[in-house]
Amino acid sequence: DIVMTQSPESLAVSLGERATINCKSSQSVLYSSNNKNYLAWYQQKPGQPPKLLIYWASTRESGVPDRFGGSGSGTDFTLTISSLQAEDVAVYYCQQYYDPSYSFGQGTKLEIK
Amino acid sequence: EVQLLESGGDLVQPGGSLRVSCAASGIIFSGYAMSWVRQAPGKGLEWVSRIGGSGTPTYYADSVKGRFTISRDNSKNTLYLQMNSLRVEDTAVYYCAKDLGDGWYPLDYWGQGTLVTVSS
Repeated sequence: DIVMTQSPESLAVSLGERATINCKSSQSVLYSSNNKNYLAWYQQKPGQPPKLLIYWASTRESGVPDRFGGSGSGTDFTLTISSLQAEDVAVYYCQQYYDPSYSFGQGTKLEIK
Repeated sequence: EVQLLESGGDLVQPGGSLRVSCAASGIIFSGYAMSWVRQAPGKGLEWVSRIGGSGTPTYYADSVKGRFTISRDNSKNTLYLQMNSLRVEDTAVYYCAKDLGDGWYPLDYWGQGTLVTVSS
């Protein structure tokens, strides 16, 4: 099974500043036949289900603000929020869908400094 | 509009059984794989099980393999999770989620979840 490890576990960033969350997989999630990374990012606010933000490591889901960006390949990935807004306070999870048994990172709690 | 509505969560004793359901609307249900994901109180997300659009293949997390069974009734647009030999550590909100397609895809729509509590 693929283990997903996020860092940091929590993060405090000032409004308007950049937030960066890292995700590392225990094996590559890059599928060579189509050159796609099977990696997604989700946002979960208190009392709500998760919301898909990014998939294929860097493709924004429809309706997601362009301040959210994903990058990386193979085993190392990053979610970047270019200018933090108050409504971005949430827990963020990465997830691999390369292996039939999907798996999530442990989550990163993002707060306002 | 895509809607996923879970039901069936309850308080059950350790060793007991429970079936939770997820009714889907706004999609061609058979065209998508579906997953169950759970979240224990105050904890992170744990993927539980997946099922293909036609009902196969099925996959399970090691933590539930042999105890839980995922199934679907495409004529009723409904997903199920039969949970047997329940343990205290199975206590969680159980979410159903729709895959972006029928294959290896992320989860693009989620229900609001149903709470399963395992306690004596």
